Amino acid sequence: GESVGLHLPTLSVQEGDNSIINCAYSNSASDYFIWYKQESGKGPQFIIDIRSNMDKRQGQRVTVLLNKTVKHLSLQIAATQPGDSAVYFCAESSTSGGSYIPTFGRGTSLIVHP
Amino acid sequence: DGGITQSPKYLFRKEGQNVTLSCEQNLNHDAMYWYRQDPGQGLRLIYYSQIVNDFQKGDIAEGYSVSREKKESFPLTVTSAQKNPTAFYLCASSPEDNMNTEAFFGQGTRLTVV
Repeated sequence: GESVGLHLPTLSVQEGDNSIINCAYSNSASDYFIWYKQESGKGPQFIIDIRSNMDKRQGQRVTVLLNKTVKHLSLQIAATQPGDSAVYFCAESSTSGGSYIPTFGRGTSLIVHP
Repeated sequence: DGGITQSPKYLFRKEGQNVTLSCEQNLNHDAMYWYRQDPGQGLRLIYYSQIVNDFQKGDIAEGYSVSREKKESFPLTVTSAQKNPTAFYLCASSPEDNMNTEAFFGQGTRLTVV
């Protein structure tokens, strides 16, 4: 089946730096993408989403970029803080065809050093 | 408060026992999902349900069973047939409409076989 994967399992940054977390997807029918943040021992929390009719979407300190040509998704976190330390997952789904089952990547562990 | 609640937070099971994990949501969401998460791994889909009294197997359904008698509830039973049940189990729900397929997660149940 189709799968979502991540390039880097662990990313270490210094506090105040910008972080970039990458995600590759393989299902060309996917048209909805979400980034989740999971802190240790907790469930994933929604960060930001993007639909396939957009290339970029910005939130508070976060930006998601979508490159449909190469099936690549990235999450940029500006001025990274220690509280941003967590595992970040991308998820993809297709909103056509009546089934919206989100498929998750393996996750990237972000470690922010003070 | 609207949300999705999993219980218990920690669960211990003896070899050969069946255990049931609870998942309740008051978000009026049609779709509910169960995922399994192992250390350093992404989320793998066990079962999902898009409507009451109907559910479908995910990627790793063997050794698990579910029911969806009420919209609000989607309990997961880990049976003795599941050979390696120790994991972190996450329940999620989503509206399953064309405009928004963000999945909302519970805080998880950590199951340990003793």
